[in-house]
Formats: sequence, C-alpha cells, structure tokens
Amino acid sequence: DIQMTQSPSSVSASVGDRVTITCRASQDIGSWLAWYQRKPGEAPKLLIYAASSLEGGVPSRFGGSGSGTEFTLTISSLQPEDFATYYCQQAHSFPPGFGGGTKVEIK
Amino acid sequence: EVQLVESGGDWVQPGRSLRLSCSASGFTFRDYALHWLRQSPGKALEWVSGVTWTGGTIGRAASVQGRFSISRDNPNSALFLQMDSLTVEDTALYYCARERKRSSVNYFFDIWGRGTLVTVSS
Repeated sequence: DIQMTQSPSSVSASVGDRVTITCRASQDIGSWLAWYQRKPGEAPKLLIYAASSLEGGVPSRFGGSGSGTEFTLTISSLQPEDFATYYCQQAHSFPPGFGGGTKVEIK
Repeated sequence: EVQLVESGGDWVQPGRSLRLSCSASGFTFRDYALHWLRQSPGKALEWVSGVTWTGGTIGRAASVQGRFSISRDNPNSALFLQMDSLTVEDTALYYCARERKRSSVNYFFDIWGRGTLVTVSS
C-alpha cells in the first residue's frame, strides 16, 4: 500500500495567516491526490481533487499544488471557519489511503 | 440538498455482527459509486469498501476481508455495510461517501455523511 505522510501534525495560526500543509507519498502518485477538511461533528468536506482542482463552492483561499510524491495545501489567509483538521488522500492505487491529518488550531 | 445519512452504529461485543445503513437524497443515487470509510480513535481515516453504481463490489480493505460486505439498494437510495466477526479493532466512526464523478471509480469522495459510531467491546 502507498503510505501518505502529512506534516506538521498540528499548527497554531492566527486569523489572516498563510498556512501551508505538506503531504508526501511513498511512491509516485502523479496528480491523484485529494485534500479534505473535517470539523468535529460534521461531514468531511472535499476541498481539492486531482492535486490542484478546487471543488465547487470551496473558497479560493484554498489552493493545492504538487505532483509525484510531494504535495501542498495552502490557505492563503486563514479565516475563523478554517480551524479544523485537514487530510490528504491518494487516489492512485488500490486501496486509497489517507495521511494522518494536520490540526489547524487558533494561536 | 445532496445528503448522506448513516445509521445503525451501536455497542456490540467481539464476535458479533452489525449492519450499517446509509440513506441518500438529493441526487440520482443509481449513477454513483459509493464507499464506506472509517476512523478509529487516534488513527488515520481508512477506506473500508466500495460498490459500483450497478452493485459490483470495488473491493475491501485487507483488515476487513472475509468479514465485511457492502451492498446497495438503488430503488430505495440506500447503501449497506454488513459487518461480521467484529473485533475491538473495528471500533470507529463509520462514514459513507459518494464518488465525485458519476459512473466512475476515481476514489475522490465529494459527499460524506456525518458518520455512525461502532463500539466493539466486551
């Protein structure tokens, strides 16, 4: 199975900050990567698919980049509603697998 | 509104069975592949199993092979997960999720439910 490693596991940031989360795959997955946001008690939300495609309805402050084995999720200006846990997921090979998550906390 | 709602989670003893359900609304259910995923306390999200829009099994995670089976009822917009021989390692919040693109399997999940909690303990 392909292993997905996210860093950092948590980050403290303030409203308005730029936040960057990194995801590394144990082998080349091309652009077969998604990013999700999860808040307690809520359904996970797809933010980015195919590494850099913004899902409909997702604010443009979210951006994804990368290919191969290294990927990045960037929140350009953190908003109060963005405090959550973020997960990357590879969709290249069976079975699909997730990173361990990055919790974005209020500084 | 496009929505998935899971139900059926419960506390059960090891070795017992449980059947989860997922009710869909707001979209043409028969056009989409669907999946079950789970998250155990302190662990990463884990894909469990998937089913195509026609009812064919996409596969199962190795951790549930031979114990869990997925099925769907297209006329009633429902997805199921039959879980047998449960172990404490199956304790998790179980989610159903929709494949993003109709009539395809790309493992991009665009709609999720809020989850249903399964606790396996003696």
